[in-house]
Amino acid sequence: EVQLVESGGGLVQPGRSLRLSCTASGFTFGDYAMSWVRQAPGKGLEWVGFIRSKAYGGTTEYAASVKGRFTISRDDSKSIAYLQMNSLKTEDTAVYYCTRGRGATGGPFDYWGQGTLVTVSS
Amino acid sequence: SYVLTQPPSVSVAPGQTARITCGGNNIGSKSVHWYQQKPGQAPVLVVYDDSDRPSGIPERFSGSNSGNTATLTISRVEAGDEADYYCQVWDSSSDWVFGGGTKLTVL
Repeated sequence: EVQLVESGGGLVQPGRSLRLSCTASGFTFGDYAMSWVRQAPGKGLEWVGFIRSKAYGGTTEYAASVKGRFTISRDDSKSIAYLQMNSLKTEDTAVYYCTRGRGATGGPFDYWGQGTLVTVSS
Repeated sequence: SYVLTQPPSVSVAPGQTARITCGGNNIGSKSVHWYQQKPGQAPVLVVYDDSDRPSGIPERFSGSNSGNTATLTISRVEAGDEADYYCQVWDSSSDWVFGGGTKLTVL
């Protein structure tokens, strides 16, 4: 059974950093791209970024709203994807989901984690 | 940047057919994916590549895509289909883009 479990969310002050983890099981992690998608309270889905599988160079892409502040990485030996969030803003408050996908574009997102809530507030 | 436009809400009676549209410039040239999200839950992929269904998704869910509009069609709507639905595409200049979402209400 495919499982994606996010962790690391919580309350953080503006300007500080937070790292989210996505622990995967039930599939060959290294064969898949991993994306992060967020959802602000009461709002729609917003793609944050993704990291390709090693077969596609392991490169990353980011939404304009987080580029330069957020970094996605992966540890295939541990089946974990990370989202490092720096210089957090109040508008980054959201539930953050990790998802998996295939190929150069990393999609579609066929499995999602349950999400972890990040609250940015002073 | 590429924009996907969905109606905020669609209402349908049980047993009827619901159609949820997703508009975008020449969206017919892209692959469209659709997600269902029920309250308090993570999204679920219900249609991918315009009209394919993942395993476990009922045949009542279907999709089409042509010109400037993609459509998710839900036949014989049930109370359990009440949810938010999002379309998604990959655009070479915008990367992954989601529509704003459509709330399906079953009357």
